[in-house]
Amino acid sequence: AQSVTQLDSQVPVFEEAPVELRCNYSSSVSVYLFWYVQYPNQGLQLLLKYLSGSTLVKGINGFEAEFNKSQTSFHLRKPSVHISDTAEYFCAVSLAIGNFNKFYFGSGTKLNVKP
Amino acid sequence: EPEVTQTPSHQVTQMGQEVILRCVPISNHLYFYWYRQILGQKVEFLVSFYNNEISEKSEIFDDQFSVERPDGSNFTLKIRSTKLEDSAMYFCASSEAYTEAFFGQGTRLTVV
Repeated sequence: AQSVTQLDSQVPVFEEAPVELRCNYSSSVSVYLFWYVQYPNQGLQLLLKYLSGSTLVKGINGFEAEFNKSQTSFHLRKPSVHISDTAEYFCAVSLAIGNFNKFYFGSGTKLNVKP
Repeated sequence: EPEVTQTPSHQVTQMGQEVILRCVPISNHLYFYWYRQILGQKVEFLVSFYNNEISEKSEIFDDQFSVERPDGSNFTLKIRSTKLEDSAMYFCASSEAYTEAFFGQGTRLTVV
């Protein structure tokens, strides 16, 4: 069975500080890894994805994440956050089933950037 | 940039009524999904759809739910007799094979 764990439900941080949002997953097969962001009253927007290759992936808005296979983690980082980064962030894994990907989402981490 | 569009953005319905949530996936995508997010909870898989049939469905997707691609562009989710616990944000998504899913803005369904 696949599962995604986001250890922190809320992360408060001051503007211009670095931030790391943690994500661990469990799967018996290879998966693809994603981070999505959800701004208030909006849909899910893809931040970045890991499909294969370099374990450090860069996404939009200055975010990056590192895939660590041995620790089954895919933590999201940003060296300096802005007020506009305040949102909820979802880690997701996708499992290939036939030709499509079934997504499993974590419970989300609310990032609250304070001035 | 192509995007998935969902209508309406907000739907209020009385318990027991039927609702149809509409989605227009990205035009060259072949795989379609519905997910839902109950307020304050995680995003949950409902159903996937490919080649005019359901590929997989979750235990949430019971006989009250159905999906259809009526005209080659729209992808609909029907809830036949809504219950209070169906209140949630419903997200449509589409993808090509083996790639990320692109999500719509969601339809907030409120059952009263």
